[in-house]
Amino acid sequence: AQSVTQLDSHVSVSEGTPVLLRCNYSSSYSPSLFWYVQHPNKGLQLLLKYTSAATLVKGINGFEAEFKKSETSFHLTKPSAHMSDAAEYFCAVSDTGRRALTFGSGTRLQVQP
Amino acid sequence: DGGITQSPKYLFRKEGQNVTLSCEQNLNHDAMYWYRQDPGQGLRLIYYSQIVNDFQKGDIAEGYSVSREKKESFPLTVTSAQKNPTAFYLCASSIRDPNYGYTFGSGTRLTVV
Repeated sequence: AQSVTQLDSHVSVSEGTPVLLRCNYSSSYSPSLFWYVQHPNKGLQLLLKYTSAATLVKGINGFEAEFKKSETSFHLTKPSAHMSDAAEYFCAVSDTGRRALTFGSGTRLQVQP
Repeated sequence: DGGITQSPKYLFRKEGQNVTLSCEQNLNHDAMYWYRQDPGQGLRLIYYSQIVNDFQKGDIAEGYSVSREKKESFPLTVTSAQKNPTAFYLCASSIRDPNYGYTFGSGTRLTVV
């Protein structure tokens, strides 16, 4: 079965500094991977997805992620954090066996002024 | 505008009661999903449906039931058999290929009183 592990439950950065949110995956084949963002008491919004095309994926709001098969990783980055980036972020992998997404436990990003 | 609507936003249930959470989409998506979100546990799949009149159990289906009589609607019933129902419930939809990613509703927060 496919799974994802988000390595940090909380990340705190200062406004204007880089963001790194880490995600490792486990899959028996080449997976599709996703990053979603959730603001308090809201649904999830898709930031970006990897579906076996370019390994560096650009998303909305300046976020990007790089698929590294050798490291089984799909880390999310942003060069410069903004206060509005404070939210919870979820990594997910597509389980084509049951045709549904499996989500990680989430990383809460705090942005300090 | 196309989207996915969950109602109500907040729901309170007494011990021993069944309650039904509504999920409606006008995106013409074939597949619909219910997830439960608890702090620190990410999203866990309850039920999913790829086509009308068919649905499958997810990882935590016990104490829940669903129906899929119309393409647009996928209501979730939380039964009295669910021992710890207090959580945030998220509905999502997609085209039948999960590699496409999901569109999420804004969620229903259920509290047992």
